[in-house]
Amino acid sequence: EDQVTQSPEALRLQEGESSSLNCSYTVSGLRGLFWYRQDPGKGPEFLFTLYSAGEEKEKERLKATLTKKESFLHITAPKPEDSATYLCAVQPNQAGTALIFGKGTTLSVSS
Amino acid sequence: ETGVTQSPTHLIKTRGQQVTLRCSSQSGHNTVSWYQQALGQGPQFIFQYYREEENGRGNFPPRFSGLQFPNYSSELNVNALELDDSALYLCASSPAGGHEKLFFGSGTQLSVL
Repeated sequence: EDQVTQSPEALRLQEGESSSLNCSYTVSGLRGLFWYRQDPGKGPEFLFTLYSAGEEKEKERLKATLTKKESFLHITAPKPEDSATYLCAVQPNQAGTALIFGKGTTLSVSS
Repeated sequence: ETGVTQSPTHLIKTRGQQVTLRCSSQSGHNTVSWYQQALGQGPQFIFQYYREEENGRGNFPPRFSGLQFPNYSSELNVNALELDDSALYLCASSPAGGHEKLFFGSGTQLSVL
């Protein structure tokens, strides 16, 4: 069964304290892996798509990496405005298959 | 560029009632997907509409149904509401029938009492 597991469930950081969020997945062929940010009371906002092992994408203080079994979202020198829930999703390789989301990691950054 | 808009933002219904949720897709997008997000969970795929036809469905019962209109806006209808239907219902639009790079609305928070 296709599955996405994110860890930790919650993460508290001090401003400037770098860390990583993990997304491990089991899927019968990976079409793409997606990272979204979700603020309270809002819909998810697209961050990155990764397609193959070894690929990396960066945006401001965020960097996403992908291996054959997991993805990491690295947060460098976070700021309080980075506080949000970060969702990972995979799209299996079968044509037209929808995204399978993990439960997310809720990040809190205090100043 | 207009983003994805959903209405209403909040709704309270009683078990057994029916509900209709509405979504306007982002300008230029002809595909709308609906997701259900229960508290503390990730979004779960309900179905997708592409050019007014259902284009894939998740593991939801037939009492969840939908429509897409010629202007690509969409409705989600849920009949015979159950307590477990309480959730945030998210609409996402994308170009050309895909699931990549979804643009989500802010959702409709449905509470079933």
